[in-house]
Amino acid sequence: GQQVMQIPQYQHVQEGEDFTTYCNSSTTLSNIQWYKQRPGGHPVFLIQLVKSGEVKKQKRLTFQFGEAKKNSSLHITATQTTDVGTYFCAGVNAGNMLTFGGGTRLMVKP
Amino acid sequence: KAGVTQTPRYLIKTRGQQVTLSCSPISGHRSVSWYQQTPGQGLQFLFEYFSETQRNKGNFPGRFSGRQFSNSRSEMNVSTLELGDSALYLCASSLQGATGELFFGEGSRLTVL
Repeated sequence: GQQVMQIPQYQHVQEGEDFTTYCNSSTTLSNIQWYKQRPGGHPVFLIQLVKSGEVKKQKRLTFQFGEAKKNSSLHITATQTTDVGTYFCAGVNAGNMLTFGGGTRLMVKP
Repeated sequence: KAGVTQTPRYLIKTRGQQVTLSCSPISGHRSVSWYQQTPGQGLQFLFEYFSETQRNKGNFPGRFSGRQFSNSRSEMNVSTLELGDSALYLCASSLQGATGELFFGEGSRLTVL
């Protein structure tokens, strides 16, 4: 079945440093979504990417969808303590099934 | 607009018992999906209901079942509980369906002793 892998699993950064998480699918995706889950909270939708090579920005967050629509990345510039949490990608395959990646847990040292 | 409401938030059961969890979606959302979240396995899709019909099912044993009512509220049931069923069970509602933007509830944390 479809697999969506995310790396790294964990990332410790100093406040102000940049952070990137990568998502790779074993199959071509029709779209990819990103969610953030704060500690003790529930996943919250951040964005959806649909087009090959698409890049979207939300303030300090930059999301990319690969040209082959099999990978994606989320980059945070100048992390803040409010960025702490687990970031999940979720890909929709040709069979219209949504599969979540394992998540990247971001910890920010003030 | 009220968010997705899940009850109960916490519960403790013993092996062999059964449990029913409830989810009230955002008003107007007809799609309700259920996920199991554990530290080792991440977010695993259980099933999706849309207009009272199960549209998709994940790779879970038949002990896991669900249903949706005419008001879009959904319940999931787990029978013959096992220790490995301890997890956070998340419900998500969506306007477009299980592959669109998902709005998650706070979850029901189940502990099986």
